[in-house]
Amino acid sequence: NAGVMQNPRHLVRRRGQEARLRCSPMKGHSHVYWYRQLPEEGLKFMVYLQKENIIDESGMPKERFSAEFPKEGPSILRIQQVVRGDSAAYFCASSPQGGGEKLFFGSGTQLSVL
Amino acid sequence: AQSVSQHNHHVILSEAASLELGCNYSYGGTVNLFWYVQYPGQHLQLLLKYFSGDPLVKGIKGFEAEFIKSKFSFNLRKPSVQWSDTAEYFCAVQNSGAGSYQLTFGKGTKLSVIP
Repeated sequence: NAGVMQNPRHLVRRRGQEARLRCSPMKGHSHVYWYRQLPEEGLKFMVYLQKENIIDESGMPKERFSAEFPKEGPSILRIQQVVRGDSAAYFCASSPQGGGEKLFFGSGTQLSVL
Repeated sequence: AQSVSQHNHHVILSEAASLELGCNYSYGGTVNLFWYVQYPGQHLQLLLKYFSGDPLVKGIKGFEAEFIKSKFSFNLRKPSVQWSDTAEYFCAVQNSGAGSYQLTFGKGTKLSVIP
């Protein structure tokens, strides 16, 4: 049973470009969470999704950031018109049900904005 | 809002030394508590968790943590560290109750174990 798969592992973008980060949850998991880790900071909650639904996006910046978890395929975190401050590690986690009891994390995507 | 403090940014120990990493949280209600570990180049892995019951929790790889409610603390311990314990350790807190799926993480503590 493969773990949570995130790709790419490293993503380099120039200011103003778009970044698309992908997360495939563990098999049988229908709940996906995105966290961001800025340099020298702890992981911060961004958004919680179930298939085709955004449950809680209270941690998402109001502009330029969006997330989806379609019926088929991976969850996507999309950052439009990236700025240097978006440089961070983005972690995805999945669980078979809501809550933190059985949360499995991916290895993260390191986004670097030049 | 919940906040989590990890007192040490970087800890350097020799093999066989004892380890204690501090973690304090701010919210006084009922909480679930976690320690995660991230080995170099790998994903976050759950070391141990506390939901209720015995406040002394045993996890994988010989780690344990003690929940002290009166001190809002959940310190991680290991009696004798190994070189393979070199990693970053994150304490996380979840407010229990309906809709409480968010984890609040500390900034992490980097542990370097010298052979």
